[in-house]
Amino acid sequence: EAQVTQNPRYLITVTGKKLTVTCSQNMNHEYMSWYRQDPGLGLRQIYYSMNVEVTDKGDVPEGYKVSRKEKRNFPLILESPSPNQTSLYFCASSLSRDRFSTGELFFGEGSRLTVL
Amino acid sequence: LAKTTQPISMDSYEGQEVNITCSHNNIATNDYITWYQQFPSQGPRFIIQGYKTKVTNEVASLFIPADRKSSTLSLPRVSLSDTAVYYCLVVIYNTDKLIFGTGTRLQVFP
Repeated sequence: EAQVTQNPRYLITVTGKKLTVTCSQNMNHEYMSWYRQDPGLGLRQIYYSMNVEVTDKGDVPEGYKVSRKEKRNFPLILESPSPNQTSLYFCASSLSRDRFSTGELFFGEGSRLTVL
Repeated sequence: LAKTTQPISMDSYEGQEVNITCSHNNIATNDYITWYQQFPSQGPRFIIQGYKTKVTNEVASLFIPADRKSSTLSLPRVSLSDTAVYYCLVVIYNTDKLIFGTGTRLQVFP
């Protein structure tokens, strides 16, 4: 089944404790991206990757890192989480992102992160 | 600064047509506009995508005027299962960054 898988789905952690949210897609998609969703602010792009070894900042990249060593995986790293990073996170992928179209983005189920 | 705005909420009844508009300034000249649907506790799901004029698929239509400063998602004959939050998605001018609209919560009543 074609899907985007995120782990963990739920996590409660403490300030400063490094964590990684994994994202994996099985559709051979080139484009992958991360978003956070907060009440009243909607979905905001954190980072995106056009292809392997190519990553770029989205709208709200501060406090996050990403890597794209393999096509299928795009982990989101919080080196030193803070309470303002408490949010619902979504990973998404699409076949490609050319100059004219995002293509159809396929989203994961979300990862709810709480930083105390 | 790119900004996309949508009505916060809309109410409708089963069988009616619903039109949700997204206003977007400073979007990429040549990029598509896309709409997504989101149910609680799920990731957004693609509905429709267009560049200009009108696009129609089996679930919705999308109207984009010539100036591309707005777009309207049209849902014909909504049902209770269409109760969800709807987002437009655009590309910021001169970048590859994506920006979602503020989201419209549609409530469909029997």
